[in-house]
Order: sequence, then C-alpha cells, then structure tokens
Amino acid sequence: NAGVTQTPKFQVLKTGQSMTLQCAQDMNHEYMSWYRQDPGMGLRLIHYSVGAGITDQGEVPNGYNVSRSTTEDFPLRLLSAAPSQTSVYFCASGTYNSPLHFGNGTRLTVT
Amino acid sequence: GENVEQHPSTLSVQEGDSAVIKCTYSDSASNYFPWYKQELGKRPQLIIDIRSNVGEKKDQRIAVTLNKTAKHFSLHITETQPEDSAVYFCAASKNFNKFYFGSGTKLNVKP
Repeated sequence: NAGVTQTPKFQVLKTGQSMTLQCAQDMNHEYMSWYRQDPGMGLRLIHYSVGAGITDQGEVPNGYNVSRSTTEDFPLRLLSAAPSQTSVYFCASGTYNSPLHFGNGTRLTVT
Repeated sequence: GENVEQHPSTLSVQEGDSAVIKCTYSDSASNYFPWYKQELGKRPQLIIDIRSNVGEKKDQRIAVTLNKTAKHFSLHITETQPEDSAVYFCAASKNFNKFYFGSGTKLNVKP
C-alpha cells in the first residue's frame, strides 16, 4: 500500500492563480479530509468527506473547493490564490477503526 | 464547534526525565482522542490514541489519560530520549471524520 499520496510536494503560485492539490489513497478508507498547517496554529480542517459524492465544510473552507467522485481521490481546488493561503496542506484518510492517516504534505507559497 | 487547547507550547526536559503534555476540549460529545508526533518537515504520525470508554492507555514509554468529566486528556512520556524531540499534537473527534487539533507542543529532550 502506498497509503495517502499527495502531489505536488511544492508549489509556488502568483496571487489570483488557481490550482488543484491532488490526494489519493489506496486503503479503501471512506473518510478523507484536508488540513492546513500554519506556524503556531496546529492543523485546521478545510473540507472533509465521509464517502464518494459527499463533502462538507470544516473550520476554514473559504477559498477552497473539493469534490469526491471516487473513494480513492479527494482533490482540493484553490479558486483564486491569496497570500493568506500560503501554508502546508495535508490530506488524510481514515475509517472508524483506523482514523486519520496523513499524506506527506504540499508546501504552497503564494506571492 | 469543538475547541481544543494544548499546553505547554514548548517543553524542555533532560534525557531520562518524564514529559507531560495536557489538552482540554469543549465538546462533551467528543469520543476519540489521538496524539500525533511531527518531526521537522514530516507528516504527523499517530503515536497513541484513546477512546472515551477508556480512562488510560499505555504503550511502552507512552501513556495517555482521559478525564471525561473535566474534559481533559494528557500525554505522558517516560524515560525521554533525544529522538523523542519533536512537535506533539493532540486532537479530538466525535465521529472519526472531523478532527480538531491543539496548537502543538515542541518537546526538546536534552542529552
């Protein structure tokens, strides 16, 4: 099992650009989620999904969209990047019996 | 929503001493409390967890205690080693798909 795979590892965007952070898991987990990590603030939930076709907002959803067309994939879209979205983004997957396995993260810088 | 507070933000101990990190949560419906260790530039990794039907759980040098009445839980590391140096995060969840994290504790174990 590869676990949770995130791409890209690093990305630099200009203000106003859009992009998609990819996340895939091969553990057949029903739950998937996106977190952002900023210094001194821990991890904050952006969006989450409890299964294919079902998504919901977390603590900090503004400026981000998600979709979950398959169990395996949960991409995060930045609609119009802003400097405040500079962060490290972690995708995670889990189940009731095996909660929250993280990917290796994407470090995003918005200039 | 849930609010998780974590203390202290930094902790420095001598090798061989014990370290204790404490977290409080606000939502009495939360029933799952994991602890994550994150080394610099790496993803958070689960080190121990506890469910609300248990008061204490131990795994070698690491233990977690839970007080549901007071809504707080703690991580205890005994016989600390330099490789225990990292940032530790607590989290709380009531449905295993949404997690709320504390702001982290940077543990420094001095040889």
